[in-house]
Amino acid sequence: GENVEQHPSTLSVQEGDSAVIKCTYSDSASNYFPWYKQELGKGPQLIIDIRSNVGEKKDQRIAVTLNKTAKHFSLHITETQPEDSAVYFCAANVNQGGKLIFGQGTELSVKP
Amino acid sequence: NAGVTQTPKFRVLKTGQSMTLLCAQDMNHEYMYWYRQDPGMGLRLIHYSVGEGTTAKGEVPDGYNVSRLKKQNFLLGLESAAPSQTSVYFCASSSQGSRETQYFGPGTRLLVL
Repeated sequence: GENVEQHPSTLSVQEGDSAVIKCTYSDSASNYFPWYKQELGKGPQLIIDIRSNVGEKKDQRIAVTLNKTAKHFSLHITETQPEDSAVYFCAANVNQGGKLIFGQGTELSVKP
Repeated sequence: NAGVTQTPKFRVLKTGQSMTLLCAQDMNHEYMYWYRQDPGMGLRLIHYSVGEGTTAKGEVPDGYNVSRLKKQNFLLGLESAAPSQTSVYFCASSSQGSRETQYFGPGTRLLVL
């Protein structure tokens, strides 16, 4: 079946450094790739998404890149801050039935 | 707008007991979803609904049932709880399905003893 692989599972960076999280997907028909941030004790919240007609999208310190040929996409966070510490999930849509398949999550820790 | 709300926030069950988790959304969304979240396994889809009166199975539907009698509500039922169903359950909704943002509720933490 369809799946999404996410790496790394944990990531620790110093404040001000960049963080990169990578995902690969299996369904070649996927065309929507959201990223969610989950803070402790809360539900996931969308931070950025990308559709298959573009290769990169930026929103302030956050950017996402997509390589449809290789079927992988990445989240880039620059100038990290302690409040960026959270679990991040990537996802890809499954074209049949309105579903998303999620990666396993990356726990990002930003040390002051 | 409250967005997506879930009831209860936390529950302890004994093996074999039943319960219903309630999800409500006030955004007039067509699509609603139930996920479970376990350590190291991300979010796995249990059941979902593409509109009032419809339901469909996700990745891990066994042991759960759902109903969508009203557009704004999506109920998840456990008929006979098992320790393997100890998890955090999240409900989500979206306006048009898989190319649109899913909005998540705050979660229900369930412990089955």
